[in-house]
Amino acid sequence: DAKTTQPTSMDCAEGRAANLPCNHSTISGNEYVYWYRQIHSQGPQYIIHGLKNNETNEMASLIITEDRKSSTLILPHATLRDTAVYYCIVSGGSNYKLTFGKGTLLTVNP
Amino acid sequence: DAGITQSPRHKVTETGTPVTLRCHQTENHRYMYWYRQDPGHGLRLIHYSYGVKDTDKGEVSDGYSVSRSKTEDFLLTLESATSSQTSVYFCAISEDGYSTKQYFGPGTRLTVT
Repeated sequence: DAKTTQPTSMDCAEGRAANLPCNHSTISGNEYVYWYRQIHSQGPQYIIHGLKNNETNEMASLIITEDRKSSTLILPHATLRDTAVYYCIVSGGSNYKLTFGKGTLLTVNP
Repeated sequence: DAGITQSPRHKVTETGTPVTLRCHQTENHRYMYWYRQDPGHGLRLIHYSYGVKDTDKGEVSDGYSVSRSKTEDFLLTLESATSSQTSVYFCAISEDGYSTKQYFGPGTRLTVT
């Protein structure tokens, strides 16, 4: 499985956009980029995923670079409830597995 | 939110006793998973199921067994609980095994004394 690298922690002001980066330089052609988050003591929550095109849903946007070696998760208007650990995961093909790293702790400040 | 419940939500048990955790889903998803989460290790897959009576091991399956007799229920059994199995256990479901778009339950906090 391709490995991912994320910053350990980030801060964001409430109401501003939160941009969370992820490097996945060894990603292969059939692997997707998935983002999950885990709010303290809760189960992980699926946010979004993409292959090579940018994706947007009601929660976030995912920007994947043209070479697919990195991506950015964007929360357009962060709220205090978005404070969580965000995980970037690369997976695909017949690989059903989710391999969680340490993720990025995003703290949204008032 | 996906309809996933876990029971019990909290349990304290003694070393050497058997423990069964239950995951129940109302989504009719084919795949179900059990993970454990420990500080410093993230989430690790214990066992998974790809259909009724069809199960397979994950990366940390020793000391655990599973059963799935109905689509909606996936049971995790600790045959003889040890202190190293103190953890938070999460169940997850997905429609198929080719998508890692999984939905997680609220978790069960298990303490083995």
